[in-house]
Amino acid sequence: SAVISQKPSRDICQRGTSLTIQCQVDSQVTMMFWYRQQPGQSLTLIATANQGSEATYESGFVIDKFPISRPNLTFSTLTVSNMSPEDSSIYLCSVFRTNYGYTFGSGTRLTVV
Amino acid sequence: AQRVTQPEKLLSVFKGAPVELKCNYSYSGSPELFWYVQYSRQRLQLLLRHISRESIKGFTADLNKGETSFHLKKPFAQEEDSAMYYCALLIQGAQKLVFGQGTRLTINP
Repeated sequence: SAVISQKPSRDICQRGTSLTIQCQVDSQVTMMFWYRQQPGQSLTLIATANQGSEATYESGFVIDKFPISRPNLTFSTLTVSNMSPEDSSIYLCSVFRTNYGYTFGSGTRLTVV
Repeated sequence: AQRVTQPEKLLSVFKGAPVELKCNYSYSGSPELFWYVQYSRQRLQLLLRHISRESIKGFTADLNKGETSFHLKKPFAQEEDSAMYYCALLIQGAQKLVFGQGTRLTINP
């Protein structure tokens, strides 16, 4: 399966600031996904990031709040903008490959104070 | 609506006892279902998928379309099975996963 490096692994940020999370994959993949896992909750898909096109956002998530970049087939970033304490979550990237299914990064634990 | 329901947030059994983690789904298409596991301080990883019909670490799961269920079972639990388990449904076309709420399984010695 694909090896995913996600960083930072954790951060504590001031409200009103922004944090960019990076996701690097060891092989080219078409589809990358960003999930959020709020405390005590399940994983919720934020958006699908495809190379060469704008990300597709799920209901309740908007580009202004969670801008995503996908400059090539092995890399993506998710920015959490203008953070508030409600954004405190674990953010995970995931990739899909046809014969291997989905692989997840180790996650970024974000705390907004 | 596309939904995955795991009715038990917490499940605790004794070592050697049988385990069943419940998962029900709602999906209008042909379902493709997965079980993911997250051990303490480790990343989420695939445990099994229904189309492969395999047994991983002694766990099996059978898709029951009549009952719209995909329960995870193991006949004899081991302490190393203690983890968070998520059932997930693949949304065809969009190729995205919808997750259940997760069940924290604790195996008592």
